[in-house]
Amino acid sequence: DARVTQTPRDKVTEMGQEVTMRCQPILGHNTVFWYRQTMMQGLELLAYFRNRAPLDDSGMPKDRFSAEMPDATLATLKIQPSEPRDSAVYFCASGGPTDTQYFGPGTRLTVL
Amino acid sequence: QKEVEQNSGPLSVPEGAIASLNCTYSDRGSQSFFWYRQYSGKSPELIMFIYSNGDKEDGRFTAQLNKASQYVSLLIRDSQPSDSATYLCAVTSSNTGKLIFGQGTTLQVKP
Repeated sequence: DARVTQTPRDKVTEMGQEVTMRCQPILGHNTVFWYRQTMMQGLELLAYFRNRAPLDDSGMPKDRFSAEMPDATLATLKIQPSEPRDSAVYFCASGGPTDTQYFGPGTRLTVL
Repeated sequence: QKEVEQNSGPLSVPEGAIASLNCTYSDRGSQSFFWYRQYSGKSPELIMFIYSNGDKEDGRFTAQLNKASQYVSLLIRDSQPSDSATYLCAVTSSNTGKLIFGQGTTLQVKP
């Protein structure tokens, strides 16, 4: 059963703490996307990788967010330091040879 | 003007009716168009994609694309209460290749 997995599913942390979110894309997919979803802004693209190389991270606040793909089976999104305005659901999506993207279950982040 | 526009709704239809969801986009060079369904508290799920002008049918779903009018729609026939969700239209940017999402239309199917 090919699907995108994300961990953790829920994270509650205090302002200033580091948060790391992980994503395992669908095996064989070469593109990974990180999105953030809030009621106010909807779905926003933060960054994406193709063949593990970062292609675009213009949607990310550079001073506190970083995204990496250390190998083909793992993508990470890190926030350091976290702030209350970072509270959102973070989705990873996996893309294959066409433009189709398949979303993971998301990480619900709450920063107090 | 937003790049991808959808009426936020809610769109309310009775069970068994046809639900019609609409989306307009600004990028005339866009080539790929997608509909995602998102249940409350869940992730977006791809339900349809369309690349060519015209209609594409899959079960109870039909996607319609009119590139001249920059308009894409999703029809759901024989709507069921389980179809109640937010439907997100997404369009690939011709500049960047990124997927641009609309804000979504909330559909309510009443038994």
